[in-house]
Amino acid sequence: EAQVTQNPRYLITVTGKKLTVTCSQNMNHEYMSWYRQDPGLGLRQIYYSMNVEVTDKGDVPEGYKVSRKEKRNFPLILESPSPNQTSLYFCASSSRQGAHEQYFGPGTRLTVT
Amino acid sequence: QKEVEQNSGPLSVPEGAIASLNCTYSDRGSQSFFWYRQYSGKSPELIMSIYSNGDKEDGRFTAQLNKASQYVSLLIRDSQPSDSATYLCAVNGNYGQNFVFGPGTRLSVLP
Repeated sequence: EAQVTQNPRYLITVTGKKLTVTCSQNMNHEYMSWYRQDPGLGLRQIYYSMNVEVTDKGDVPEGYKVSRKEKRNFPLILESPSPNQTSLYFCASSSRQGAHEQYFGPGTRLTVT
Repeated sequence: QKEVEQNSGPLSVPEGAIASLNCTYSDRGSQSFFWYRQYSGKSPELIMSIYSNGDKEDGRFTAQLNKASQYVSLLIRDSQPSDSATYLCAVNGNYGQNFVFGPGTRLSVLP
């Protein structure tokens, strides 16, 4: 089954404790992206990657890091999480450079206390 | 800063009516336009994509694009209660520039 998976689905952590949210897709997609979704603000792109070792900032990259060492994986790293990073996070992938449908993962609800 | 705007709603329509959702965007270089549907607590799923001016129909859904006026709309005919969701407009520029989503319009179809 074609899918994007994210782990964990729910995470409660404390300020400053490094965490990683994993994202993996099995569709051999080149393009992957991370979004955060907040009430009233919609989906905002954090980082995206057009292929292995190629990443770029989206609209809200501050406080986040990403890496793309393999085509299928695109982890999101929060080196020192803060309460304003409490949000719902989605990973997405697409077959080409954004001109095609993005497939979204199930989401990760992160709470930073 | 590229912007995509939508009426937040909620937009309420009776069952069987036509629901009309609108979206405007600021970047004239935008090339690809998408409508996603998102049920509460779920991930977005693609409804329609449109790339050229005019109308594109798929079942009960019609997307309309007017690049000169920088707007894209989604019409849902014969609305059903199962169409009740938040509808997100997304815009993408050339060569894989980052996607920009609108804040979404919440649609409620009343039985």
